[in-house]
Amino acid sequence: NAGVTQTPKFQVLKTGQSMTLQCAQDMNHNSMYWYRQDPGMGLRLIYYSASEGTTDKGEVPNGYNVSRLNKREFSLRLESAAPSQTSVYFCASGWTGPNEKLFFGSGTQLSVL
Amino acid sequence: GDSVTQMEGPVTLSEEAFLTINCTYTATGYPSLFWYVQYPGEGLQLLLKATKADDKGSNKGFEATYRKETTSFHLEKGSVQVSDSAVYFCALSGGSYIPTFGRGTSLIVHP
Repeated sequence: NAGVTQTPKFQVLKTGQSMTLQCAQDMNHNSMYWYRQDPGMGLRLIYYSASEGTTDKGEVPNGYNVSRLNKREFSLRLESAAPSQTSVYFCASGWTGPNEKLFFGSGTQLSVL
Repeated sequence: GDSVTQMEGPVTLSEEAFLTINCTYTATGYPSLFWYVQYPGEGLQLLLKATKADDKGSNKGFEATYRKETTSFHLEKGSVQVSDSAVYFCALSGGSYIPTFGRGTSLIVHP
């Protein structure tokens, strides 16, 4: 009963390094999302994918890229990490529609030094 | 655009106290409204939802009523427990189907 699986759980990077956060869901959902959570800011949408093969920018896309590899997987890439990207990152998935809830992964705590 | 405003926390209560967390929203049309809960070290999970005006969502003793006239969806619980300590997020899903979240309200319940 995996649901939404994110890896890694923790990561420390130096400024300028790159990394990819992985996300996979086993519920056959068509929509997937990447959020970042910062103190006092709540959840802010970075990118989303409404269906396999499509991706769109959210509220805070600068400095990030995404890939919807297939229906199950949606990765988030930081090409050149900056201290401002220190945050907790959550992947989520769900069915597309106004009444549909989201299922969240357990998060990745990223620190950029 | 769509937006959700929640009361700022932390909200600190003693066990068995009554809880209210206020949430108001701005949206075009008739959005669906949600409350999510985040326990320490975990991702968010759905607590309850309401999909049309005057609907009441309920779960685990928590309730919220969709009030279109006041554009509100306040979360209530009659008697909180220490285990309810968490961060609570109000959210809406409107015409774009992209969920919009409030900033979250931290609840701390003391024994």
